[in-house]
Amino acid sequence: AQSVSQHNHHVILSEAASLELGCNYSYGGTVNLFWYVQYPGQHLQLLLKYFSGDPLVKGIKGFEAEFIKSKFSFNLRKPSVQWSDTAEYFCAVNADNAGNMLTFGGGTRLMVKP
Amino acid sequence: DADVTQTPRNRITKTGKRIMLECSQTKGHDRMYWYRQDPGLGLRLIYYSFDVKDINKGEISDGYSVSRQAQAKFSLSLESAIPNQTALYFCATSDSRQGIYGYTFGSGTRLTVV
Repeated sequence: AQSVSQHNHHVILSEAASLELGCNYSYGGTVNLFWYVQYPGQHLQLLLKYFSGDPLVKGIKGFEAEFIKSKFSFNLRKPSVQWSDTAEYFCAVNADNAGNMLTFGGGTRLMVKP
Repeated sequence: DADVTQTPRNRITKTGKRIMLECSQTKGHDRMYWYRQDPGLGLRLIYYSFDVKDINKGEISDGYSVSRQAQAKFSLSLESAIPNQTALYFCATSDSRQGIYGYTFGSGTRLTVV
């Protein structure tokens, strides 16, 4: 079974700092990759997704992620964070042998100080 | 109104009590899922249902049961709650016609078992 690792559990940044959150997965076949965001007290919302094509994908709110197949990674980046980016971020993977199922990472809680 | 509604939003219950968490959706999606979220562990799949007559165990189904009363309703029951079932529970839906593209999450139910 595939697994998803997010190594940073808590990240604290000041506004305007650059962000990179790591995500690694364990499946060797074809994957679809996602980043979800959960703002305090709210449900998960899709930030961006990768299915095929250009490995650098852009999402909402200035976020982007890069799929590096050789490293089994899909790191999330943002050049300049804002206080409103304070949230928990989840990486998720759908493997080609898993039907419609998503496997989530443990999440990274981001706090942006104003 | 939310597309995926979970009730209750918060619940405190005693060990050994039976409790039901409810999920209803207006998305018209055929697939529904129950996840639990624990700090550092991300979201783990409890049960899922691909249509009204289809119920499947997920990664952590022990101690839980579900009922798909209609396409729009999917309930999660804890027959005899225990403290390590204290968690944030999410319902999600997806459309088989959209494949992995269209997950929608509810706002969550925070359950505390004392």
